[in-house]
Amino acid sequence: DTGVSQNPRHKITKRGQNVTFRCDPISEHNRLYWYRQTLGQGPEFLTYFQNEAQLEKSRLLSDRFSAERPKGSFSTLEIQRTEQGDSAMYLCASSLGDKETQYFGPGTRLLVL
Amino acid sequence: QKEVEQNSGPLSVPEGAIASLNCTYSDRGSQSFFWYRQYSGKSPELIMFIYSNGDKEDGRFTAQLNKASQYVSLLIRDSQPSDSATYLCAVTGYSTLTFGKGTMLLVSP
Repeated sequence: DTGVSQNPRHKITKRGQNVTFRCDPISEHNRLYWYRQTLGQGPEFLTYFQNEAQLEKSRLLSDRFSAERPKGSFSTLEIQRTEQGDSAMYLCASSLGDKETQYFGPGTRLLVL
Repeated sequence: QKEVEQNSGPLSVPEGAIASLNCTYSDRGSQSFFWYRQYSGKSPELIMFIYSNGDKEDGRFTAQLNKASQYVSLLIRDSQPSDSATYLCAVTGYSTLTFGKGTMLLVSP
């Protein structure tokens, strides 16, 4: 499978716990994006990387959120001290470069109890 | 603030009909326009992209772009029940995608 992969696919956690999600982009893609989607809404941009550099972060990305892409390949998104409002689908996408089509992974569905 | 507006629907069409989905955007600097299909509980799947004014056809799908009116549409010909999904319009200027909330399409047999 050469598409974008995300793990885990589902995560249930208790409020206050930390969670970490992983995204593996399409291998030759140098751009990697994180989005969050809640029910009835379109995906909302969180942050993106070009290779290992994090180039832009949304205002949605509070200081409880951190993302890394240490070697310019896979990326992790960590949420510290989760809140019920963090419950959403977290989507990762990758593209070959600027202005290129973004391809989405299957998403990680987070439920914070 | 960049905005993308779509009618949330549902848009109901009978099998075999043409479904017309519409989208308007606020940022005149937007350069690329995308339509994604999203089945319930799944991630968005790219259907089409369009960069230039006019029409672009791919099989049963036609994307239409009018930058002067800041309007982009998707036509689905010969609609099938398997086309029932939420259709997301997305626009980008230089990097990130801004999505609309999506239009739910229901195709009845």
